[in-house]
Amino acid sequence: DIQMTQSPSSLSASVGDRVTITCRASQGISNSLGWYQQKAGKVPKLLIYAASTLQPGVPSRFSGSGSGTDFTLTISSLQPEDVATYYCQKYNSVPWAFGQGTKVEIK
Amino acid sequence: EVQLLESGGGLVQPGGSLRLSCAASGFTFSTYGMSWVRQAPGKGLEWVSAISPSGVSTFYADSVKGRFTISRDNSENTLYLQMNSLRAEDAAVYFCAGRYCSDGVCDSPPRDWGQGTQVSVSS
Repeated sequence: DIQMTQSPSSLSASVGDRVTITCRASQGISNSLGWYQQKAGKVPKLLIYAASTLQPGVPSRFSGSGSGTDFTLTISSLQPEDVATYYCQKYNSVPWAFGQGTKVEIK
Repeated sequence: EVQLLESGGGLVQPGGSLRLSCAASGFTFSTYGMSWVRQAPGKGLEWVSAISPSGVSTFYADSVKGRFTISRDNSENTLYLQMNSLRAEDAAVYFCAGRYCSDGVCDSPPRDWGQGTQVSVSS
């Protein structure tokens, strides 16, 4: 089965900073990669699918890139409302797999 | 507006059974591939099971294969998860999640999620 590995597991950055989270698949998954944001006590929210396509309504400071095995989620200018845990997910075939999550906090 | 509402969670003893339901509204249920995803306390997301829009094809994580059964009733717009032989490690919030499938082809991650239902397994 394909494993998804995220890094870092947590980060602390200042408001306005550029933040990058990486996700690596143990085998190639083309661009079948999604990114979710989960705020404390809330339901996961889909931010990006197909590695780089922004879900409607998601702020443009979020972007995704990558293909094959290496992917990134970038927040161009971190805002207080972006405090959350972010998960990548591969969905090209079952079993689906999520990364272990990256907790983003404000410094 | 798409709505997914889970129910059926609760406290059950190890070895016991529960049946979760997910009532769907606001969209054409029979065009959505549906899944169950769980999250243990303080842990990450874990995919549990998926079912095709027609219900013909079902898929399971190894951790639940042979114990859990996913099904759907497209006439009632409802998704189910029958959970048998429950273990302590099955304790989690269970989310139902759906994704639109065009002509039966599901090519996106689930966008729509319910609020989740809590399953606790303890003697």
